[in-house]
Formats: sequence, structure tokens, C-alpha cells
Amino acid sequence: AQSVTQLGSHVSVSEGALVLLRCNYSSSVPPYLFWYVQYPNQGLQLLLKYTSAATLVKGINGFEAEFKKSETSFHLTKPSAHMRDAAEYFCAVSDVIGGTSYGKLTFGQGTILTVHP
Amino acid sequence: DAGVIQSPRHEVTEMGQEVTLRCKPISGHDYLFWYRQTMMRGLELLIYFNNNVPIDDSGMPEDRFSAKMPNASFSTLKIQPSEPRDSAVYFCASRQDRGRNTIYFGEGSWLTVV
Repeated sequence: AQSVTQLGSHVSVSEGALVLLRCNYSSSVPPYLFWYVQYPNQGLQLLLKYTSAATLVKGINGFEAEFKKSETSFHLTKPSAHMRDAAEYFCAVSDVIGGTSYGKLTFGQGTILTVHP
Repeated sequence: DAGVIQSPRHEVTEMGQEVTLRCKPISGHDYLFWYRQTMMRGLELLIYFNNNVPIDDSGMPEDRFSAKMPNASFSTLKIQPSEPRDSAVYFCASRQDRGRNTIYFGEGSWLTVV
């Protein structure tokens, strides 16, 4: 069974500062990994995903994440935070079916990012 | 592309009443997921379908919950009878069966049981 741990339920940064949201996973097989963002009163939007290609994955809105198998981590970063980045961020892991496909996502508990002016 | 469409967006109901949440997945998508989001438990998968067939319903809390997918363009999640602890945001999501494709989420149905 897969699981995800997001370290820090709340992260606060100043506008222009580095954003680092931490995610560690547990999986018995090479996983697929995802970061989603949720703005208030909205659904989840995919930021980026790792599906066993390049270990450094670039996503939307200037975010990127690096898959580190040795550390079982998939931390999300952005060099310079904007006010509009304030939201809740979820890391997720999937089961892999047949080597390429996947079924359900298992989510972490989420990290609320606050950006101060 | 209209995205995943859920209805109702908001519902307030009394304890004991039946609640039906509806979902229209993105056209051409083969997988459909129902998730529940609460402050205490976060995002939990309730059930998912592949080609209209339930694949994993281990997350359905109890017999009061049921889900159906009568065709490729429609699914329902029913709670009968509803209880205050069912208050949550229920998300429907879908994706294509093309390997590594993205799961797209709807805007959610915000349920309050009083």
C-alpha cells in the first residue's frame, strides 16, 4: 500500500522568497507522484507529475519537483513566491498498473501555503 | 472541454434524508473517482470505476453509501440516510485510460447535514 507524508501542515513565506513544500512517500513499487493545488472553495488542479521519466519535473506557475528515490522524496519548489500562490498543496502517490497505467491516487494531508507581502 | 461537472455544488439537508450527488466525467474518460474531503481525514478515495465497472470500493464508509455508474457519462453517489458526520466536500474526478494521463477533478459538492 502506498502512503504520503507532507511535512508541515502550514508554510509561510514572504513574497519573492523560495517556496519549499516537503513530501515523502512510501511505495512497494516504483510510483507515480503528483502535486495538486487547491484554491479556496475550488477543486484540485494538477501542478505537475512524475511518471518515471525525468526526475526533475517542471509544472505550471513556475513550480518544479525532484524525484529522489534514495530519499523517497518528491519536494515541491518555486524560486520566488507570488501572492497568488497562496493555496493548499497536496502531494499524491499512485499505484501503477501494468507498468504504465495507474488507478487511484493516495493523497497527503496537505500543506497550506501563506505568502506575506 | 467542459471539465468534470458535479451537481449540486452546495446542499444542506436534514439528518436522515437521502442525498444524491451527481457527476458527469470528461467525455472519453474511462476512469471515474469519488473522493471525500474533510478537515479531520483529508482527501479519501471512496470508490472508483473503470469503464463503468466499480474497481475498488474499499473506501466507502458503510452501507449508507452507494455509487453507481450506469453509463460512461454519468455517475451518482448516494447517502441514505444521511448523518451530520457525512458533512464534507465530495469530489468527482476522471481520466483517460491512456497510461500516464492526468486525473481531472470537478469543483466539488459541498454537503452539510444538520
